Amino acid sequence: GENVEQHPSTLSVQEGDSAVIKCTYSDSASNYFPWYKQELGKRPQLIIDIRSNVGEKKDQRIAVTLNKTAKHFSLHITETQPEDSAVYFCAAPTMNRDDKIIFGKGTRLHILP
Amino acid sequence: GAVVSQHPSWVICKSGTSVKIECRSLDFQATTMFWYRQFPKQSLMLMATSNEGSKATYEQGVEKDKFLINHASLTLSTLTVTSAHPEDSSFYICSAPTANNQPQHFGDGTRLSIL
Repeated sequence: GENVEQHPSTLSVQEGDSAVIKCTYSDSASNYFPWYKQELGKRPQLIIDIRSNVGEKKDQRIAVTLNKTAKHFSLHITETQPEDSAVYFCAAPTMNRDDKIIFGKGTRLHILP
Repeated sequence: GAVVSQHPSWVICKSGTSVKIECRSLDFQATTMFWYRQFPKQSLMLMATSNEGSKATYEQGVEKDKFLINHASLTLSTLTVTSAHPEDSSFYICSAPTANNQPQHFGDGTRLSIL
């Protein structure tokens, strides 16, 4: 089955700076990669996703890049703001189903004032 | 957008009690629902896949007799934690895709505390 590794586990950045979170996956057949943001005690919320037919996708301050050859994908947050503080999870599908996803271990992002 | 409603949001009960958690898809039909468990400061771990009209499929290490799943209709899946013990205390959360190979929509989760 799929194995997803996520780094770093904790990340602190100064407000206004950029944050990058990286993930690797094991199943070369995987073709859908979502990123979720989870605030304390709340459900994960999909913030951006990418399919394997593109190498990069951007939505305002958030972007995701995908390198299928190397089997890794990254989340980039620019001009970070206090409300970006949360836990971020990458995920990848398992069993050839885009809807059945396995999560990385998460990155706790702290935005410093 | 698609909404998954999960109840209850918080349960506190004595050891040995069985607890039922419900997840409903409010504006779409969910032939599949996924159940996750999340311990504090950890990731979401997939427990099982709930399939409408058929048996659930459980991930390795998850006891099917401990965590009973029923998916009797296209809009409702339930997870029953039988004879719950303190080690079952966790955040349980369901999710469902609106269609095959579409992103998942999560319920708000149920925080289960067993005394």
